[in-house]
Amino acid sequence: DQQVKQNSPSLSVQEGRISILNCDYTNSMFDYFLWYKKYPAEGPTFLISISSIKDKNEDGRFTVFLNKSAKHLSLHIVPSQPGDSAVYFCAAHEGGGADGLTFGKGTHLIIQP
Amino acid sequence: KAGVTQTPRYLIKTRGQQVTLSCSPISGHRSVSWYQQTPGQGLQFLFEYFSETQRNKGNFPGRFSGRQFSNSRSEMNVSTLELGDSALYLCASNDVAGGKKTQYFGPGTRLLVL
Repeated sequence: DQQVKQNSPSLSVQEGRISILNCDYTNSMFDYFLWYKKYPAEGPTFLISISSIKDKNEDGRFTVFLNKSAKHLSLHIVPSQPGDSAVYFCAAHEGGGADGLTFGKGTHLIIQP
Repeated sequence: KAGVTQTPRYLIKTRGQQVTLSCSPISGHRSVSWYQQTPGQGLQFLFEYFSETQRNKGNFPGRFSGRQFSNSRSEMNVSTLELGDSALYLCASNDVAGGKKTQYFGPGTRLLVL
């Protein structure tokens, strides 16, 4: 049973526009959420996180929104740049747990010139 | 601060062999996690170590094992390799603050089993 789902395997966005990546989760015990970016042949790079006590967190061009009632989070990238082309993973963690992060299967973002 | 290092970066083995992968976490981090990434399954949690103790293990067979040393360096071992073990193995250095875990990943070891 997939506890973290990224339903769009790929997303194509024009350079300069907004990229919106979505993620849904089913485990209500998750209280910390993270987004990672991954280039081929490299490990994932941490981008931004949000605690369940917040509904928005911003860092430069990246903003993460959390809707706890809908068990949904999204990553907004504005403006999108060619270097943003990568696979984006949503991950979740249950506070205090010794489990690893639970990852979605990723969304391949393609920024078109 | 130096990042997470993993060695080797690439490895080719044959079925039935065993393999040992190494990971050095970020200086000061005492917890390390391992993941397997395959195209169909995404990132799957293998195990986590904290201060030389395994804290948890994912749903993998006993052929997958690991350990952590007193300097926080970690190794994972896969015995009796199968074709399906071909994957990218990722080590993460864990920063835990206030119950919130942020993981910083190494570049991974790409294992190919022939």
